[in-house]
Amino acid sequence: AQSVTQLGSHVSVSEGALVLLRCNYSSSVPPYLFWYVQYPNQGLQLLLKYTTGATLVKGINGFEAEFKKSETSFHLTKPSAHMSDAAEYFCAVRVSGGYNKLIFGAGTRLAVHP
Amino acid sequence: SAVISQKPSRDICQRGTSLTIQCQVDSQVTMMFWYRQQPGQSLTLIATANQGSEATYESGFVIDKFPISRPNLTFSTLTVSNMSPEDSSIYLCSVEWGASETQYFGPGTRLLVL
Repeated sequence: AQSVTQLGSHVSVSEGALVLLRCNYSSSVPPYLFWYVQYPNQGLQLLLKYTTGATLVKGINGFEAEFKKSETSFHLTKPSAHMSDAAEYFCAVRVSGGYNKLIFGAGTRLAVHP
Repeated sequence: SAVISQKPSRDICQRGTSLTIQCQVDSQVTMMFWYRQQPGQSLTLIATANQGSEATYESGFVIDKFPISRPNLTFSTLTVSNMSPEDSSIYLCSVEWGASETQYFGPGTRLLVL
């Protein structure tokens, strides 16, 4: 069965500092992986995705993630945090075949302080 | 990506009543999904709704409690029946658009049951 683990339910960084949000997955088949962001009182917005091809994926708002098969990881990074990055971030894996549902990690709340 | 809207955006309901949530997409999509996000938690798939077939429910969710309609390729409804305070959650619909192999989410419906 496929699953997603996000290490750290809360991450706090200073404005301008590196953002690193960790995601590890379990999958018996090549995974499709996603990062979504949820701002307060909003739905989920797609940040980036990995399906096939290049393992370093660039997304919106300066975020990127690298798929590392050997480590079963898909960590999200941003070189310099901005106050507007404060939000909840979810990593998800797509269960292929059948109805292609998403399995989400527990989420990481990112706080950015001045 | 598709533009997805949900109605209502939020509601406060009395226990024992039912609420129907609407999800409208601006383009035709085959697959629509309904998720629940309980307070402070991640997203859990309730069911997958494909046009022309019965919804497929995940373990722990039943049709009597969460009946779903999918009358055409741009619209779906989720009803939360005989509500209790434990049903207080955000309910989100999502669609897998075209050949994107990616789910896009609506803004969510915030439900409080008293």
